[in-house]
Amino acid sequence: SQQGEEDPQALSIQEGENATMNCSYKTSINNLQWYRQNSGRGLVHLILIRSNEREKHSGRLRVTLDTSKKSSSLLITASRAADTASYFCATDGGNTGGFKTIFGAGTRLFVKA
Amino acid sequence: EPEVTQTPSHQVTQMGQEVILRCVPISNHLYFYWYRQILGQKVEFLVSFYNNEISEKSEIFDDQFSVERPDGSNFTLKIRSTKLEDSAMYFCASRATGGREKLFFGSGTQLSVL
Repeated sequence: SQQGEEDPQALSIQEGENATMNCSYKTSINNLQWYRQNSGRGLVHLILIRSNEREKHSGRLRVTLDTSKKSSSLLITASRAADTASYFCATDGGNTGGFKTIFGAGTRLFVKA
Repeated sequence: EPEVTQTPSHQVTQMGQEVILRCVPISNHLYFYWYRQILGQKVEFLVSFYNNEISEKSEIFDDQFSVERPDGSNFTLKIRSTKLEDSAMYFCASRATGGREKLFFGSGTQLSVL
């Protein structure tokens, strides 16, 4: 399986603090993506990092990728109550062909105002 | 921004009944997907569809499931004989040409099998 697995499963922080979520996966990848899901809603794409990239930034988001360790991290800086959501990493297969994207179990982030 | 549209938002059905979940992907996208999420659990891949045929499917996607793109705009998931364990949120997603780029998700259909 190439599924990403996030940790922690749940994270509770105060507004203004940084939130770090980690993801590990098992097989080679073309890219790794992070998505956000508000309760009961669809997933929204946040950021994509390709296998030949090590770090990427988008606003308050910073993603790192270590292909040697098969891991990625998502950092949300200066968190806000509105960042409360579940965050999923997702991987696209390396040499499997097809184009399926596999999601991990997610990290539930709760930001207290 | 263009959206993936799913209908209905909620579907209640009796065990053993057939259901059809409908999706309208983004118009210039070529790759289509169904995922499901049982309450509070992970988002599970069901099937991918490209060039009018299934490109990949998971173990979950057994003979009870089928997908169709009947008219060039709609993308449907049919469950022939629903079971209690089919109760979940079903998400449709699509992506643009080239694959391996970001997925655009619909807001989901909550299926409840009684």
